[in-house]
This record gives sequence, C-alpha cells and structure tokens, in this order.
Amino acid sequence: EPEVTQTPSHQVTQMGQEVILRCVPISNHLYFYWYRQILGQKVEFLVSFYNNEISEKSEIFDDQFSVERPDGSNFTLKIRSTKLEDSAMYFCASSEEGFNYGYTFGSGTRLTVV
Amino acid sequence: DAKTTQPPSMDCAEGRAANLPCNHSTISGNEYVYWYRQIHSQGPQYIIHGLKNNETNEMASLIITEDRKSSTLILPHATLRDTAVYYCIVSESGANSKLTFGKGITLSVRP
Repeated sequence: EPEVTQTPSHQVTQMGQEVILRCVPISNHLYFYWYRQILGQKVEFLVSFYNNEISEKSEIFDDQFSVERPDGSNFTLKIRSTKLEDSAMYFCASSEEGFNYGYTFGSGTRLTVV
Repeated sequence: DAKTTQPPSMDCAEGRAANLPCNHSTISGNEYVYWYRQIHSQGPQYIIHGLKNNETNEMASLIITEDRKSSTLILPHATLRDTAVYYCIVSESGANSKLTFGKGITLSVRP
C-alpha cells in the first residue's frame, strides 16, 4: 500500500535555529498538506498546497513558516527561527484528485525545540 | 472549531461490534462526514466518509441518520489493534478541503 514518508522521525533543535521537515507524498497525489499536533492537544491544520502554490493556510502558519515542493517528489516545511512552542508532531498528508479515499498521512516528525 | 460532538471515551470487548456515535447537528448540505483514527501518536488514518447514504468498506460501516444530524461508525469485529482515538469530522468534499479535528473519542478494546 502506498505511503507518505516523512523524515526525520525525530528532530531536536535549538531555539532560533532553522529546521526543514521533509515529506515524500504518494506519487500520483496532487494535493499536499501539513498538520501539527502539540503533545496532548488536537491535530491542527497548517497549510494546503496544490499546483505549486499555497491553497489555504491557518493562523498558525505565519511568516516563520514556508512550504516548498523543490522537485517532483519532495514536499518540505521550513520553520525559519524555531520557538519553544513549535515543539510538536508534524504530519504531512497528501490526497489524490477526486478525493475518494481521504487523505493519507505520514507517520510524522517529532520536533523538539530546546 | 470542530462542528462535531463525540463522547470522550468508550470501550468494547474484543470480537464484538464497536458503535461510535457522533453528533453534527449544524452540518450543511454540501458537507460530508469523515472518520479518521489515530493509533497512539501515529499519523491519522482515513477510515470512511459519506454524504447521506450509508457506506461500507473493508474497515468499517458508516450509518448517517436521515436528517444527517448524527452518524455512527461501526467496527463490526473489534480487535485490540483497533484501540485508538477516532475522529468524526465534517468537511466539504474536495481534495483541497482542510480537516478540523476535535478531541475525538478514545476507543479501548479489551481482551
């Protein structure tokens, strides 16, 4: 069964540093997303991406965040200057045209900012 | 905010059917009901979705009331591996539609 792959599984970074979280969506999917989940809290939408541009973003997705699809397979989330409150699980997801099977989420990257 | 209401938790015996309720009284005509689950801290997993007709796939069945104000997810033969947080989500269909997760219902399957 096709999977969404996220790397690394765990990232520890110092406050103020830049981090890039990487995702390889399912190959024939056209829509890409990032969600996050702070420990013990709800899963929150960050951003959706289609046709090489952001479709929608939440209030969380401020100027410190950016997304990119640098090539035909990767989808990245960059946090420019990390804060303690950015510590969370970050989930990448993708979906196909027609949306018959919902999103497929990756296993997540646990980001710890110290 | 999530447009759905779910009990915080329930349990069922292994091998029995698990019936997970969800209220969505403010659902609008073009919104679908989606169910996802999250096992431990893994990524959410799509289960099933529907508009107004009952739906069934290899994982579960979805029963939507005629007025569409509530639904029930049925796991016909629950196993220990079905222990998870189950999220009922109302959203417009379309690959670009965001999902608004609530707290979900924690299902515990006991041996």
